[in-house]
Amino acid sequence: DAGITQSPRHKVTETGTPVTLRCHQTENHRYMYWYRQDPGHGLRLIHYSYGVKDTDKGEVSDGYSVSRSKTEDFLLTLESATSSQTSVYFCAISESGTRSGANVLTFGAGSRLTVL
Amino acid sequence: KQEVTQIPAALSVPEGENLVLNCSFTDSAIYNLQWFRQDPGKGLTSLLLIQSSQREQTSGRLNASLDKSSGRSTLYIAASQPGDSATYLCAVSSAGANSKLTFGKGITLSVRP
Repeated sequence: DAGITQSPRHKVTETGTPVTLRCHQTENHRYMYWYRQDPGHGLRLIHYSYGVKDTDKGEVSDGYSVSRSKTEDFLLTLESATSSQTSVYFCAISESGTRSGANVLTFGAGSRLTVL
Repeated sequence: KQEVTQIPAALSVPEGENLVLNCSFTDSAIYNLQWFRQDPGKGLTSLLLIQSSQREQTSGRLNASLDKSSGRSTLYIAASQPGDSATYLCAVSSAGANSKLTFGKGITLSVRP
C-alpha cells in the first residue's frame, strides 16, 4: 500500500446520509480509479480520473460522484447513501492509462462502508 | 462486452505442488492482462502484467502466459507454499471506448502444510 492511502478505512452510516471517501497518493501518478468489490460481482469500476479535473464514468457510476482538484487526491462521494452501496471500495493508481500496454495498477488497502 | 472467467472459484493443494490457475476472456482485442493477488481484508497486489504482444512473463516462482487468439491466460505457481494462500485475480484491459480493466471473480487458493 506504499504511496496510496484511503480514508476512512471503515465507516458505518445510515441510509440517506452523504459519505465521502478519500484517496491520497504520493506517487504523482496521472491516473486514479475507484472500484467497488462485492461478493459474486468481483471488482467493478465506478469512476476514474486521467488528470486534475478530468474524470469519467465507469460501469457502475450511478449514485456516485468524484472530484480531483489536486494530483494527489481523488474523492468519491455518495450524495445520499443507500444499502446497495454497502461494499468495500478500493482506490487504485497508475502512471499510464489502461490502453497502455504497461499500466500497472497499485491498489489501496480499501475502505469498508456499511449503509444501514 | 468483455467477460473474464476464472474457474474453479476455489482450490486446495498440498504444499510443494506445482499448480496452474486459469483465466479466460471473451474478447481477444486486449491491450494487456494482469494477474493480482489479494490477501483477506487487503487490497490487490499486482503480480505480473503481460502486454498483448507478449506470450509470457516470469517473476520468481510465478509464470504467466497469454494466448490472445484463444482468449486464455494461465498463472503457473511452482513449488507452492502456505504463504501463497490468497485469492488470485486476473484482469484484462480491453480495446474499447472506456478506459477500464475487466476483472475475473478470482480463485481462492489454499496451500496446505
